[in-house]
Amino acid sequence: SYVLTQPPSVSVAPGQTARITCGGNNIGSKSVHWYQQKPGQAPVQVVYDDSDRPSGIPERFSGSNSGNTATLTISRVEAGDEADYYCQVWDSSSDPVVFGGGTKLTVL
Amino acid sequence: QVQLVQSGAEVKKPGASVKVSCKASGYTFTSYGISWVRQAPGQGLEWMGWINGYNGNTNYVQRLQGRVTMTTDTSTSTASMELRSLRSDDTAVYYCARVKATLLGRDFDYWGQGTLVTVSS
Repeated sequence: SYVLTQPPSVSVAPGQTARITCGGNNIGSKSVHWYQQKPGQAPVQVVYDDSDRPSGIPERFSGSNSGNTATLTISRVEAGDEADYYCQVWDSSSDPVVFGGGTKLTVL
Repeated sequence: QVQLVQSGAEVKKPGASVKVSCKASGYTFTSYGISWVRQAPGQGLEWMGWINGYNGNTNYVQRLQGRVTMTTDTSTSTASMELRSLRSDDTAVYYCARVKATLLGRDFDYWGQGTLVTVSS
């Protein structure tokens, strides 16, 4: 089955740029989606189809996808961005929905 | 606005069954599927399967085949997930999520608030 690999944690100072990666075999050929989950809350979609933002998501959130790595970029990081972030793809296997293991973003 | 409202927390004994419901509003229920995703304490997201809101077709993750059943009631715009033969490692928060289907695949644009299911003797 398809595997998505994320770093367990990323730390960044307020106002700086955070980059969270999601690795997978030829992930650039797939559509990648990203979800933010704050403690005790349900996930919220922040990027879909590699780089599109749902309504209401700040422009500070952006995505890219090429080769074996997809990246969620959060510009001008704020304390409120501290959360777990998950990438997700659809794979043509018998279990088609795959989530990455999640990355905890810490705002220093 | 789109809302998915789930049923309340459950405590079950090992071997029992649990049924979690998810009432949808703010959109045409039969135009989207509903997926179920669970999250064990301190762990990541685990996809369980989904159900087509139009025709009721289902697709379950292999490791839960035979223990899980997903259904919909289009008259009340409600999706349900039943998990049988519960074990302690089924203890998790269970989420329903609306499935957005495109030519590129599936993703989840709206989520329920989650339902904690605790399995304990």
